[in-house]
Amino acid sequence: NAGVTQTPKFRILKIGQSMTLQCAQDMNHNYMYWYRQDPGMGLKLIYYSVGAGITDKGEVPNGYNVSRSTTEDFPLRLELAAPSQTSVYFCASTDPGTGGMDEQFFGPGTRLTVL
Amino acid sequence: QQPVQSPQAVILREGEDAVINCSSSKALYSVHWYRQKHGEAPVFLMILLKGGEQKGHDKISASFNEKKQQSSLYLTASQLSYSGTYFCGTEVRGSNYKLTFGKGTLLTVNP
Repeated sequence: NAGVTQTPKFRILKIGQSMTLQCAQDMNHNYMYWYRQDPGMGLKLIYYSVGAGITDKGEVPNGYNVSRSTTEDFPLRLELAAPSQTSVYFCASTDPGTGGMDEQFFGPGTRLTVL
Repeated sequence: QQPVQSPQAVILREGEDAVINCSSSKALYSVHWYRQKHGEAPVFLMILLKGGEQKGHDKISASFNEKKQQSSLYLTASQLSYSGTYFCGTEVRGSNYKLTFGKGTLLTVNP
């Protein structure tokens, strides 16, 4: 199993450009998440999905969009990139265990710089 | 609301013990602990559920005080490999399987 994969690993964007961060998992998990991590701030939830076709906003959704057409894939779209979106982005997946939420499996991350 | 972790940073010598705390103002359903090494993804350590059930790492222990909405992670006889940033993530009932993470505790273990 590859687990959770993310592409690209690094990207530099100019202000106003757009891009899609790719995330895929091969564990047949229903729940998928996008987080951003800024230095000293922990992980902030951007969007999440509870299954194909179902997405919802997290804490910091502004400037981002998501879609979930299959169980495996959960891409994150940045429209009109801004310097404030410079961050490390992690995708994660899980399924409920017995008695509640189970371990989240994280991808390796995408380091994005907007100049 | 983001849980509060303490301390923010701790430096140990190999073999020493440490306790990392996580506190929330909300009624918690579960607390999750992750460790992240520099430049890498967070890695799961442990889940503590309301009611006392625990799942996770054999060599790490933790507690969950449901009345105080606090959890503590106990790192005993620390090894160099324990170095990293530790995050707690809290789940509240009805959150639809979402976690809110603290800002992290940076643990450095020196020889």
